[in-house]
Amino acid sequence: GENVEQHPSTLSVQEGDSAVIKCTYSDSASNYFPWYKQELGKRPQLIIDIRSNVGEKKDQRIAVTLNKTAKHFSLHITETQPEDSAVYFCAAKYPGTYKYIFGTGTRLKVLA
Amino acid sequence: KAGVTQTPRYLIKTRGQQVTLSCSPISGHRSVSWYQQTPGQGLQFLFEYFSETQRNKGNFPGRFSGRQFSNSRSEMNVSTLELGDSALYLCASSFGTVKETQYFGPGTRLLVL
Repeated sequence: GENVEQHPSTLSVQEGDSAVIKCTYSDSASNYFPWYKQELGKRPQLIIDIRSNVGEKKDQRIAVTLNKTAKHFSLHITETQPEDSAVYFCAAKYPGTYKYIFGTGTRLKVLA
Repeated sequence: KAGVTQTPRYLIKTRGQQVTLSCSPISGHRSVSWYQQTPGQGLQFLFEYFSETQRNKGNFPGRFSGRQFSNSRSEMNVSTLELGDSALYLCASSFGTVKETQYFGPGTRLLVL
């Protein structure tokens, strides 16, 4: 069935350390994987996305890697800062549709 | 460009009532998707509209319905409200074509008493 598993549900890191959030999707034909950041009381904001024909994508301190064989993708945040504290959601686009399945979110706390 | 807007931002209803939520997409976007967000459940996909047609539907009961107008604005209706319908309802817009990036609105927080 349609499912995206996201781990961990909470993550605490010291400022300056790296954070990694992992997601696994169920449908091997999924071809688009966005990541959203949602700060408390605010709307989800797209921070990075990757398509299935690419293995890795970077944008400054943020990177996403995709392993199609294992059907998982990961968000990497380096040199974390307090303003990175938020809930992060991964999603997979269901193939042939415009339906997105979201993970259950990871609450990231960056400790100063 | 103005972002996605949603009205109202907050609603309080009682069980059995119905509610209509509105979403105005980014200018030029023809796709509007709706999501229910609850603690611990993440974002659950409700449905997606493109050019006034429902293209995709999630696993929600028939009490949840929607529509889209010719100007791409969309409404979502929930009839016979239940306590479990209390949630943040988010809409997201996109071009709905190969440009898949979705942009979210601020959401409508619905409380059912």
